[in-house]
Amino acid sequence: DAGVIQSPRHEVTEMGQEVTLRCKPISGHNSLFWYRQTMMRGLELLIYFNNNVPIDDSGMPEDRFSAKMPNASFSTLKIQPSEPRDSAVYFCASHTSGNTIYFGEGSWLTVV
Amino acid sequence: GENVEQHPSTLSVQEGDSAVIKCTYSDSASNYFPWYKQELGKRPQLIIDIRSNVGEKKDQRIAVTLNKTAKHFSLHITETQPEDSAVYFCAASTHSSASKIIFGSGTRLSIRP
Repeated sequence: DAGVIQSPRHEVTEMGQEVTLRCKPISGHNSLFWYRQTMMRGLELLIYFNNNVPIDDSGMPEDRFSAKMPNASFSTLKIQPSEPRDSAVYFCASHTSGNTIYFGEGSWLTVV
Repeated sequence: GENVEQHPSTLSVQEGDSAVIKCTYSDSASNYFPWYKQELGKRPQLIIDIRSNVGEKKDQRIAVTLNKTAKHFSLHITETQPEDSAVYFCAASTHSSASKIIFGSGTRLSIRP
């Protein structure tokens, strides 16, 4: 298996623009997580899905952030409009019940 | 909800010495405790995990202990080497199909030559 696949790996965008991050979980995994990592706040759980259904989105910072999982093999995290304080590494991760959580390589976002 | 606290935030040890990182958790229902290592610019990767039915687990130079009564668990690295330098994260989960995994704030470990 190729592991959790994220795109883009790096993105630089201007403030106010829409950003869409994409994730393909490991085949067969039924849970998908979006984390944000910054020096100041560490690894924050933004939202997670189980069987494509959002279970807990209490970590989503504000209405500018939204996430979807239309099917078992794809999820998106969207920021609209983006702001400089959204600059971070966004990790997608997946797992099956009782097993290891695997991270993607991350999407490095810079908003200028 | 679950809260995981991790200490220390930074740790510097002499090569060859041992390093210990400690975590506490708040949710007594948590029963799965993985540890991740993150090297600079890379993704977190699992190095060892422990489930609540055991008190200790060892894998070569690393070991993890769990005290469910006190709700704390620790990572021990013996005979540290330069390649152990990284950020280490503890985490806690209820280990069910719809559980979320909450991470500690991380410990930056530096190994002095």
